[in-house]
Amino acid sequence: DTEVTQTPKHLVMGMTNKKSLKCEQHMGHRAMYWYKQKAKKPPELMFVYSYEKLSINESVPSRFSPECPNSSLLNLHLHALQPEDSALYLCASSQGREGAPLHFGNGTRLTVT
Amino acid sequence: KNQVEQSPQSLIILEGKNCTLQCNYTVSPFSNLRWYKQDTGRGPVSLTIMTFSENTKSNGRYTATLDADTKQSSLHITASQLSDSASYICVVSPPGGANNLFFGTGTRLTVIP
Repeated sequence: DTEVTQTPKHLVMGMTNKKSLKCEQHMGHRAMYWYKQKAKKPPELMFVYSYEKLSINESVPSRFSPECPNSSLLNLHLHALQPEDSALYLCASSQGREGAPLHFGNGTRLTVT
Repeated sequence: KNQVEQSPQSLIILEGKNCTLQCNYTVSPFSNLRWYKQDTGRGPVSLTIMTFSENTKSNGRYTATLDADTKQSSLHITASQLSDSASYICVVSPPGGANNLFFGTGTRLTVIP
């Protein structure tokens, strides 16, 4: 089992819905990440939080809104998504230092109808 | 342009056989290279991490090699098992931590009985 927990595992939402993805880690990691992964493609970085502050936003549309309530939690709020946003959304954490591995959760499989 | 290319794109082998996956990169400057295993519908799991000064690292039946001069890495799997069926992703990092990673497109390995 992964040490990074993501909920829900699956989510189906309409284009007018508002939903949130949640991620939790208790490894004391100070860096947390959101990635988007389409089928048969590598993960694409969306957001990076370092010490609970947003440090990187890879030009992600505003219909995706990240939030880091504390050092263990990371949320991704979704609103007015498009069908092409359907993907596996992966959360990851790391110690943030050089060479530290990313620890990924098992993702949320999102389908936008 | 910083790129990571993996070959083959997919591979089918018989259980018990060995195989080698390749990763070529153009990322420069270079800090470290990681191999991840990703089972279908799950998050990637780190197998090995190597810095430029390391040329081989093992993790059980997985052995990674790195030639920083030719910018090539390989992942050798010994005595394959059905559970080795997964995608194997090569990830290269320039200096600066895990905030700027370059992902390969992966090799899809299928082990058949």
